[in-house]
Amino acid sequence: KQEVTQIPAALSVPEGENLVLNCSFTDSAIYNLQWFRQDPGKGLTSLLLIQSSQREQTSGRLNASLDKSSGRSTLYIAASQPGDSATYLCAAGNNAGNMLTFGGGTRLMVKP
Amino acid sequence: DAGVIQSPRHEVTEMGQEVTLRCKPISGHNSLFWYRQTMMRGLELLIYFNNNVPIDDSGMPEDRFSAKMPNASFSTLKIQPSEPRDSAVYFCASSLMAGPLQETQYFGPGTRLLVL
Repeated sequence: KQEVTQIPAALSVPEGENLVLNCSFTDSAIYNLQWFRQDPGKGLTSLLLIQSSQREQTSGRLNASLDKSSGRSTLYIAASQPGDSATYLCAAGNNAGNMLTFGGGTRLMVKP
Repeated sequence: DAGVIQSPRHEVTEMGQEVTLRCKPISGHNSLFWYRQTMMRGLELLIYFNNNVPIDDSGMPEDRFSAKMPNASFSTLKIQPSEPRDSAVYFCASSLMAGPLQETQYFGPGTRLLVL
């Protein structure tokens, strides 16, 4: 059974810092790896999706990498802003394609 | 598009009552997912449908939970009878399966359920 872990569970940084969020998964036979953002009381918003054949994806100040062999993914946020404050969740898609296993999330606070 | 629509947004009910949660996926999406989020267990997949057919319901906690998708634009998740431990936020999500590539899942705003 796939298990996804995110460390740290919470992170507080000053505005402008570059930061890395970590995600690890136990079963390397994944179809893809997705990163989501969740604001308090809201649903999830997809940030980046990395197919299993890819090693990274970029969108604006966000860069996500995938290393299947080591069971790890990282989300890099450049020049963090207070608006980046949210919970970030990673999810591993299994080989059947559609089923996602979520990590517990990292709650990020960027202080002005 | 209005995105994934869920109703009601909040539901407070008493133990033993039937609860029905509703979801309208994004038009054109052929996969629909029901998730439950709690502080203790995080976000868990309950069931998903592909082209209106239930594909995997292994995440459904017990027989008190049932889900249907009578057409491509509507799905329900029913809990009967409800129990306090069912209190959680229930999310519906939809995506487009285009060939072998899994597309991004788009989440609705969730239904916050409190069972007293």
